[in-house]
Amino acid sequence: DTGVSQDPRHKITKRGQNVTFRCDPISEHNRLYWYRQTLGQGPEFLTYFQNEAQLEKSRLLSDRFSAERPKGSFSTLEIQRTEQGDSAMYLCASSFRDSHPYGYTFGSGTRLTVV
Amino acid sequence: AQKITQTQPGMFVQEKEAVTLDCTYDTSDPSYGLFWYKQPSSGEMIFLIYQGSYDQQNATEGRYSLNFQKARKSANLVISASQLGDSAMYFCAMREGVSSGSARQLTFGSGTQLTVLP
Repeated sequence: DTGVSQDPRHKITKRGQNVTFRCDPISEHNRLYWYRQTLGQGPEFLTYFQNEAQLEKSRLLSDRFSAERPKGSFSTLEIQRTEQGDSAMYLCASSFRDSHPYGYTFGSGTRLTVV
Repeated sequence: AQKITQTQPGMFVQEKEAVTLDCTYDTSDPSYGLFWYKQPSSGEMIFLIYQGSYDQQNATEGRYSLNFQKARKSANLVISASQLGDSAMYFCAMREGVSSGSARQLTFGSGTQLTVLP
């Protein structure tokens, strides 16, 4: 078990380009979460999957954002037509439904810089 | 209204001393959980300690303890015998509806940057 893995660790992109991030959760975890963290702030919830179903989306997740979790394993988060305001750390976390409430494991995040 | 408030943007502590990081919360849900995470410069959120709203005793995990005052809606983190490696950002977070088993998301505070001085 290598924990939650996120790729890439860093991404620099030009405004208007599309970017895609990947998250590989802990293999037995059926719940997967995406959070966004801007500089000097705590993480903010974006969306949540249980297995392959996307069950909740924050209002922060604009139409330019889309997330998928095919087959209930890894997940991708795509941002289309990136804007400078999208610059942030994107964190993924996973948990197992029946674990103790503190069963959240976070990845190291993908830091996005839009120039 | 802010659900999680951390009023100390930055704190300094001498190595081997104890330090308290403040956290207040706001919820009308009787069933909730409070978490503390450490985030070093590498970016990963590291779970430290958890307190459930129905837990009778304050949580402890090694050098970490949580001073839970339910009536005051506060959940302060106490780090004893600070070490240089404790220098990091610390976040308080809450999850509501924990007893229902639903997958509610965490709501985080803005964090406290702790610096341990040699």
